[in-house]
Amino acid sequence: DAGITQSPRHKVTETGTPVTLRCHQTENHRYMYWYRQDPGHGLRLIHYSYGVKDTDKGEVSDGYSVSRSKTEDFLLTLESATSSQTSVYFCANSQGYTDTQYFGPGTRLTVL
Amino acid sequence: QKEVEQDPGPLSVPEGAIVSLNCTYSNSAFQYFMWYRQYSRKGPELLMYTYSSGNKEDGRFTAQVDKSSKYISLFIRDSQPSDSATYLCARKGGAQGGSEKLVFGKGTKLTVNP
Repeated sequence: DAGITQSPRHKVTETGTPVTLRCHQTENHRYMYWYRQDPGHGLRLIHYSYGVKDTDKGEVSDGYSVSRSKTEDFLLTLESATSSQTSVYFCANSQGYTDTQYFGPGTRLTVL
Repeated sequence: QKEVEQDPGPLSVPEGAIVSLNCTYSNSAFQYFMWYRQYSRKGPELLMYTYSSGNKEDGRFTAQVDKSSKYISLFIRDSQPSDSATYLCARKGGAQGGSEKLVFGKGTKLTVNP
């Protein structure tokens, strides 16, 4: 069990507005990840964190920023949402970088 | 070329059938392979985890890695309607920095009909 909750679970927003998605873990796992999942593309890594205030880019990081001020919380921000960012966003965690990743339930974001 | 290729299906089989799901990968440095199962509107959950070559069995599920052909497979015996889901293969591991990140195939949607 990942012990991950994501909020909100569903969001509809308009182009150009800022959006923040929250991921919260009950474990004390060092690594946390943000992915997006789209038809035809599968799961793609946006950003990940390897500790408080330590983050790095993934495969599709343009247009996204992240922050981790506490071990248990990892925030994903879309500074100015675009329709191409309509997707399902998953948060994941792992104890170590080479350890198995466990996923949260996802956030379905629609940008109109 | 994406690092992990997976036939998206969809795949539809009758209950009780043996299911074979397959992925190919491009970099022979990859060592760790995983299969995740994702039910509709849920997050992926780890199903099987294998290292290097060989087979790993867990109940009705068998994961197989063939490094010589860069092929990974998941077999489901006596398939059940509850196995209906999308199955994602993934790899991690390698000699160079950055290759530890998890890379997923696009997933194969499986339906097991009663």
